[in-house]
Amino acid sequence: DADVTQTPRNRITKTGKRIMLECSQTKGHDRMYWYRQDPGLGLRLIYYSFDVKDINKGEISDGYSVSRQAQAKFSLSLESAIPNQTALYFCATSDRGTASTDTQYFGPGTRLTVL
Amino acid sequence: AQSVSQHNHHVILSEAASLELGCNYSYGGTVNLFWYVQYPGQHLQLLLKYFSGDPLVKGIKGFEAEFIKSKFSFNLRKPSVQWSDTAEYFCAVNAPYSSASKIIFGSGTRLSIRP
Repeated sequence: DADVTQTPRNRITKTGKRIMLECSQTKGHDRMYWYRQDPGLGLRLIYYSFDVKDINKGEISDGYSVSRQAQAKFSLSLESAIPNQTALYFCATSDRGTASTDTQYFGPGTRLTVL
Repeated sequence: AQSVSQHNHHVILSEAASLELGCNYSYGGTVNLFWYVQYPGQHLQLLLKYFSGDPLVKGIKGFEAEFIKSKFSFNLRKPSVQWSDTAEYFCAVNAPYSSASKIIFGSGTRLSIRP
């Protein structure tokens, strides 16, 4: 079984709709992240959470919100989707461990298309 | 804040050619450095990482990278590429002791191998 899962894997929606992307992990990691991937821009950090009660904005948080419901779950919401939010979204986790062991483990991605 | 530059956006090689992908970062303090690979249709996977010690790091599938602190570089190398190395490669940097410790990714280099 995959350690980091994302649902849905693909989603097509219309402008103005509310969308929630879910991420679950069985790795027992404290830290979770949401990224979006766009061609030529690599991965850009949207939000991250170092613990259940900790939420931090990344580079491109505008238009997004997150919820860390439990250590294992971190969901990303688009309150009112717009076409330029069409992208591939990745969830990732990492272990707090020591400060030097921040290797990230990625989910399979969610391909979101906003029409 | 740290940043990462990957100057080669698309590299095309023939099988058995040698590979070097450039990665430069900007940050004056202690850094952790990573190379991730994304095979077509798959999620990112860790190729190798540098935390401390020997600046020449060996990863999976015959890849290696050398950390040159004076040049702020962490270039990825492989002496002889295979068709199966076709993928997108991302360099990433983390400043573990900074107040906003999170991983920043480069924009990626797409590697195409001709059979």
